[in-house]
Amino acid sequence: ETGVTQTPRHLVMGMTNKKSLKCEQHLGHNAMYWYKQSAKKPLELMFVYSLEERVENNSVPSRFSPECPNSSHLFLHLHTLQPEDSALYLCASSQAHIGTGGYEQYFGPGTRLTVT
Amino acid sequence: GQNIDQPTEMTATEGAIVQINCTYQTSGFNGLFWYQQHAGEAPTFLSYNVLDGLEEKGRFSSFLSRSKGYSYLLLKELQMKDSASYLCAVMDSNYQLIWGAGTKLIIKP
Repeated sequence: ETGVTQTPRHLVMGMTNKKSLKCEQHLGHNAMYWYKQSAKKPLELMFVYSLEERVENNSVPSRFSPECPNSSHLFLHLHTLQPEDSALYLCASSQAHIGTGGYEQYFGPGTRLTVT
Repeated sequence: GQNIDQPTEMTATEGAIVQINCTYQTSGFNGLFWYQQHAGEAPTFLSYNVLDGLEEKGRFSSFLSRSKGYSYLLLKELQMKDSASYLCAVMDSNYQLIWGAGTKLIIKP
């Protein structure tokens, strides 16, 4: 496996279900991100982990819960979602920003989530 | 507030040149990124500008003017495979990326 992988690629869940999205990066990076992408809207940053510590929450609803057990793995736990949460969820990784630097982010293919 | 503006959609002809503009207002500036995203796929990195001027990379070039809060992505010798969305993103003072909504580029034969 190379780059950033995400599973599952597609997920349909009811509003009362609990599910988890998984992301794994094989690039030796030490920062990982969860984004939400809705049609015709900018990417919305949900969570950032840098050096395995969460550094940004961005007022995401508590029905989304991230977990970063190590620098290569990132999870997004989902429960009691709403239909408006249907979107593409993208994971990305990069080198952590220590000082200056424009380290580009590398994205996984995303999980297409549909909440019914 | 922080804001990134870019056109929603553009159309160009195969073999031609197209310029996609991006204007921004952010709290701090640590560089501007361009990404390409084909339908149903992940965004992929194209370019990074932190100093004023033009950066050329093959058929793609990116320009930055920090004083004007302005950037453009120039695509030359357009090919059908260039049909995609092009995302502009600015890294703010907290080193977080602020994203535009993307420009959908349609290439016609």
